[in-house]
Amino acid sequence: EDQVTQSPEALRLQEGESSSLNCSYTVSGLRGLFWYRQDPGKGPEFLFTLYSAGEEKEKERLKATLTKKESFLHITAPKPEDSATYLCAVQASGGGSNYKLTFGKGTLLTVNP
Amino acid sequence: GAVVSQHPSRVICKSGTSVKIECRSLDFQATTMFWYRQFPKQSLMLMATSNEGSKATYEQGVEKDKFLINHASLTLSTLTVTSAHPEDSSFYICSAYTDSQLTDTQYFGPGTRLTVL
Repeated sequence: EDQVTQSPEALRLQEGESSSLNCSYTVSGLRGLFWYRQDPGKGPEFLFTLYSAGEEKEKERLKATLTKKESFLHITAPKPEDSATYLCAVQASGGGSNYKLTFGKGTLLTVNP
Repeated sequence: GAVVSQHPSRVICKSGTSVKIECRSLDFQATTMFWYRQFPKQSLMLMATSNEGSKATYEQGVEKDKFLINHASLTLSTLTVTSAHPEDSSFYICSAYTDSQLTDTQYFGPGTRLTVL
């Protein structure tokens, strides 16, 4: 069974204080690893897809990296508007998976001004 | 690009009534659509997967007769909660999947908050 574990559950940062969120996964063949941002009462907003170990992607203050067992979401000099829940999900390869995602429980990030 | 809409955004209904939620991909054709529910401060739980023109595939523990899914076209899927009860109150979110070269991911709608009295 595919599993995704995110840590920490909650993270409180001061504005400008860089940090990283962790996503550990076990999957029977990784087709893709996804990062989403979710604001309260809204649907998840797509951030990144990573496909293979060593891959990195960046968007503004966010950078996602991938190894064979985990992914990190690095946040550089965060701003209060970066406050949200960050969700990690994996998609297994092979027939029968039907492209479904298995989500972690998320990391609630709060950035104080 | 890759915009998914849901309607309604919020619905309150009486116990025993049925509620229909629409999910539309506005600027792309979705190979597959998914339906999730999310309880407060918890992650998304997949309910079912639907492909246009075929029956939905439900996750274990999800009652297919209670949560009816219709995938009428490559841009529209509907979820009907039949004979709703208070325990069905939740945040329902759909996503649309495309495996085109430019976008190979699920894009989510804004969600529908269902409250059953």
